[in-house]
Amino acid sequence: DAKTTQPNSMESNEEEPVHLPCNHSTISGTDYIHWYRQLPSQGPEYVIHGLTSNVNNRMASLAIAEDRKSSTLILHRATLRDAAVYYCILRDSSGGSNYKLTFGKGTLLTVNP
Amino acid sequence: KAGVTQTPRYLIKTRGQQVTLSCSPISGHRSVSWYQQTPGQGLQFLFEYFSETQRNKGNFPGRFSGRQFSNSRSEMNVSTLELGDSALYLCASSFPLDRGDTGELFFGEGSRLTVL
Repeated sequence: DAKTTQPNSMESNEEEPVHLPCNHSTISGTDYIHWYRQLPSQGPEYVIHGLTSNVNNRMASLAIAEDRKSSTLILHRATLRDAAVYYCILRDSSGGSNYKLTFGKGTLLTVNP
Repeated sequence: KAGVTQTPRYLIKTRGQQVTLSCSPISGHRSVSWYQQTPGQGLQFLFEYFSETQRNKGNFPGRFSGRQFSNSRSEMNVSTLELGDSALYLCASSFPLDRGDTGELFFGEGSRLTVL
């Protein structure tokens, strides 16, 4: 499985934008980039995913580099409820269904009031 | 709509015992996967089931097994428990790809197993 590299931790202030980086230099053409987050004492929660183009949803935006070797999850206005561990994951879509996700250590985001 | 339901939420076992955990997926979801989360190893994939068949398997010993029923509910079993099996066991469900799957996995809150 292709691997991702994320900073161990990041800190932000409430109401400010947060940019969470992820490097995936060995990404293949059939890998989707997925982001999940895990709040304390809860299971992971889907945030966003993309393949080549930038993506936006109600939770966040995903900016994907042109060469796809890196991506950035953008939280436009961080709130205290965004404090969580954020996981950047590559999911291979080739060969049909594949729900095996390889989670790294993720980035622990702390949001200061 | 109801989310993924896992039972029991907490349980304590002793070494050598066996345990069965249950997962009820979101209605209409046919894929169910299981993950183990520990402080040292993080989230690790155990296995995935679709239409009662195991499609993917992670690198865990044979003591870890699972099954899926015709209603998509799934169970996982760990036999001959070891101290290192203490973990949060998470279940996730998803639509099948042929129904326009977006790739989103819906996780339950997990079953926390403590082995003494």
